[in-house]
Amino acid sequence: EVQLVESGGGLVQPGGSLRLSCAASGFTFTGYWMSWVRQAPGKGLEWVASVNKDGSQKNYVDSVKGRFTISRDNSNKSLYLHLDNLRTDDTAVYFCARDLADYGPFGSYYHFGLDVWGQGTTVTVSS
Amino acid sequence: QSVLTQPPSVSAAPGQKVTISCSGSSSNIGDNYISWYRQLPGTAPKLLISGNNERPSGIPDRFSASKSGTSATLGITGLQTGDEATYYCGTWDSSTNTAVFGGGTHLTVL
Repeated sequence: EVQLVESGGGLVQPGGSLRLSCAASGFTFTGYWMSWVRQAPGKGLEWVASVNKDGSQKNYVDSVKGRFTISRDNSNKSLYLHLDNLRTDDTAVYFCARDLADYGPFGSYYHFGLDVWGQGTTVTVSS
Repeated sequence: QSVLTQPPSVSAAPGQKVTISCSGSSSNIGDNYISWYRQLPGTAPKLLISGNNERPSGIPDRFSASKSGTSATLGITGLQTGDEATYYCGTWDSSTNTAVFGGGTHLTVL
């Protein structure tokens, strides 16, 4: 069964740090880009970051650039999101997702969608 | 303020058809593939449509999608009470190199 399981969420003070993990199983992890998406309480979805298959290319939404770091460990089939200098508006459920993205035969990037999602892990930033 | 614009809510009767619109710009919908997701309260989103109009395995053909220019539409036929959920469109934005979502549309099946 294709599965993603997040962990590492919790309550942290503003300015604090946290590392989220996402364990993948049931598919060839190295064959896919991966993404993190978050959802603040009562709000819509916000894409946070993505990483390519070998971890060499990373993309971030502007609001987290310089504070969050996405990474992956292909040997352990795991995706990570390191959150630094957390703010209250980072409070959200964080989902990891398998990303149907890649570069086509002529070098153009494509993103078909996010086809497998984890159940989410909650990050609460509050004093 | 979401990059992609969706109506906040739509409604229709059981058995009827509903469409949900998603409007963007030349740098996102106009230049990239669109995907659609359904989210029930307290659960993770589920992919309904990828690559503009492809249904993943297990998604019934009651769900369809189309794209024209900088807009896209999700259609659901034969509405069931279990279809009550929030629906999101998503795509890539070539100008910001980020994925973007619509604000979500809550579907009520009356």
